[in-house]
Amino acid sequence: DTEVTQTPKHLVMGMTNKKSLKCEQHMGHRAMYWYKQKAKKPPELMFVYSYEKLSINESVPSRFSPECPNSSLLNLHLHALQPEDSALYLCASSQVLGTGASNQPQHFGDGTRLSIL
Amino acid sequence: AQKVTQAQTEISVVEKEDVTLDCVYETRDTTYYLFWYKQPPSGELVFLIRRNSFDEQNEISGRYSWNFQKSTSSFNFTITASQVVDSAVYFCALITYNNNDMRFGAGTRLTVKP
Repeated sequence: DTEVTQTPKHLVMGMTNKKSLKCEQHMGHRAMYWYKQKAKKPPELMFVYSYEKLSINESVPSRFSPECPNSSLLNLHLHALQPEDSALYLCASSQVLGTGASNQPQHFGDGTRLSIL
Repeated sequence: AQKVTQAQTEISVVEKEDVTLDCVYETRDTTYYLFWYKQPPSGELVFLIRRNSFDEQNEISGRYSWNFQKSTSSFNFTITASQVVDSAVYFCALITYNNNDMRFGAGTRLTVKP
């Protein structure tokens, strides 16, 4: 079991649906991340939150909308997705120390396998 | 710009063999951090090691060892006496001091056969 919990584990949705992916951690980490991973490819960073504020948005289409309601939770709201958005979506968290989060290991959840019909 | 290259796409070994996974990185930053992660079929990325750019000491943890050489921009990972449970995709990753954007290599799929 990981310390970063993602729900649901699997999600199948149509292109017109609205759904949300959820991520929760209780390690006291103040940086949280969303990654997208296609089959046989490395994870690609989508968003970074630091102290509940969006600090990096890697030119992700607006049909993906992140939200960080508090320091333990990270959501990814999905709307009008395309078939090419089918992938494994990974959430991660890390400590933020004086010099920033970059030198801290990121702890990953098991991911949500998303299929768009 | 930063880049990580894992030239070995797939490696297959027989149990108890030693295996080395290669990682070469590029960055113009002088302060950076290198990581290795393991991704079993379940999907979770498991953190294995972090090394900062100022610490070139090699590290050993059980059957795992890492060789960091700044002169060749390499951070290689060796598994000694491999086991079937070591079968996974292994990612090398790089992040720089002022940037939270961690760049992963393409990954190496290791299969350890009994």
